[in-house]
Amino acid sequence: GQNIDQPTEMTATEGAIVQINCTYQTSGFNGLFWYQQHAGEAPTFLSYNVLDGLEEKGRFSSFLSRSKGYSYLLLKELQMKDSASYLCAVLDSNYQLIWGAGTKLIIKP
Amino acid sequence: GAVVSQHPSRVICKSGTSVKIECRSLDFQATTMFWYRQFPKQSLMLMATSNEGSKATYEQGVEKDKFLINHASLTLSTLTVTSAHPEDSSFYICSARTGGITEAFFGQGTRLTVV
Repeated sequence: GQNIDQPTEMTATEGAIVQINCTYQTSGFNGLFWYQQHAGEAPTFLSYNVLDGLEEKGRFSSFLSRSKGYSYLLLKELQMKDSASYLCAVLDSNYQLIWGAGTKLIIKP
Repeated sequence: GAVVSQHPSRVICKSGTSVKIECRSLDFQATTMFWYRQFPKQSLMLMATSNEGSKATYEQGVEKDKFLINHASLTLSTLTVTSAHPEDSSFYICSARTGGITEAFFGQGTRLTVV
């Protein structure tokens, strides 16, 4: 079956760095997405990785290792507004998005 | 970026009635639209995938006669919840893609409450 795992909840301090991991087992792979979702709102796109390596975009970076079925989202200089759920999703061989359950990130002052 | 507009954002309806939710891609042609449901503290659950001009493909366990999906044009898809029950109360979100390996653009979501 298809499976995407990410931690349920993480806590970090304002100004610090946090890494949210995602491991996946899917039928085929056409890329991995990270989305941010605030409570009661639709997800918003953060990043897309299809090749191995690190993609940096401002305070957010995303890493992919296809051989390990592993990705992480790195958030630097955390701000209170970064408190949200972070969803990992994989595009499988049928171009369907398979979603992880999301990681709730709590930022403390 | 591409914009997907979903309407209404909130709706309250009585048990037994039907509710229609619209999803429009405002500045691109959405060859594929997805409908999701999200219960509190849970992840998105794909309900169905629709391609313009053809019947929607429903995920296992989703009643096609209860959740009617129409994707009649490249910019509009509708989800109709028929004979709504309180257990249908949820957050419904649509997303649209232009095909191939592109990100999914999400609507704002619709909070449905059935009383």
